[in-house]
Amino acid sequence: KAGVTQTPRYLIKTRGQQVTLSCSPISGHRSVSWYQQTPGQGLQFLFEYFSETQRNKGNFPGRFSGRQFSNSRSEMNVSTLELGDSALYLCASSLTSTQETQYFGPGTRLLVL
Amino acid sequence: QQQVKQSPQSLIVQKGGISIINCAYENTAFDYFPWYQQFPGKGPALLIAIRPDVSEKKEGRFTISFNKSAKQFSLHIMDSQPGDSATYFCAAKAAGNKLTFGGGTRVLVKP
Repeated sequence: KAGVTQTPRYLIKTRGQQVTLSCSPISGHRSVSWYQQTPGQGLQFLFEYFSETQRNKGNFPGRFSGRQFSNSRSEMNVSTLELGDSALYLCASSLTSTQETQYFGPGTRLLVL
Repeated sequence: QQQVKQSPQSLIVQKGGISIINCAYENTAFDYFPWYQQFPGKGPALLIAIRPDVSEKKEGRFTISFNKSAKQFSLHIMDSQPGDSATYFCAAKAAGNKLTFGGGTRVLVKP
């Protein structure tokens, strides 16, 4: 069974631009969570989607948004990029929103210049 | 507010030695405590997990010890190997799928 896939793997943007990252969960998994990983703040939860609905949200500004499609694929969008948004963005999938085991993808490395 | 505190930030252990990483949490609503291993350029991979009704869980060379009254849990890596060199994260979860991570421990196993 294929794992969690994320595209693109690397991205360079400039301040003020917006970016969209994509995540395809493991086949059959319906819950997708997004995390931001930085050297300073570590791994922080952004949001979780299940059945196309946002179930949980972390403490990030409204510039960070996401959505989930009927095939469980998810996208996250960051608008008006800031230098501090440079990070590894990780997607994790699980069978349901209560199933405990989360499987992470390789991440998208975003660099904001 | 850091809800899961992890220590040490880094450790060096000789091949065959024991690596011990500790975590402490504050939120008593946490009911699931996984450990993740991350190699450079990769996403975190689940190693082992425990629930608070169990005091210890062992899988191969990896053991979690859990102390509910102290709100602490730890990962022991027995017979550490160079291939175990990675960053390890403890985490905790309450209801839903939001994982709260510790700050990470970089482990280097010297041959």
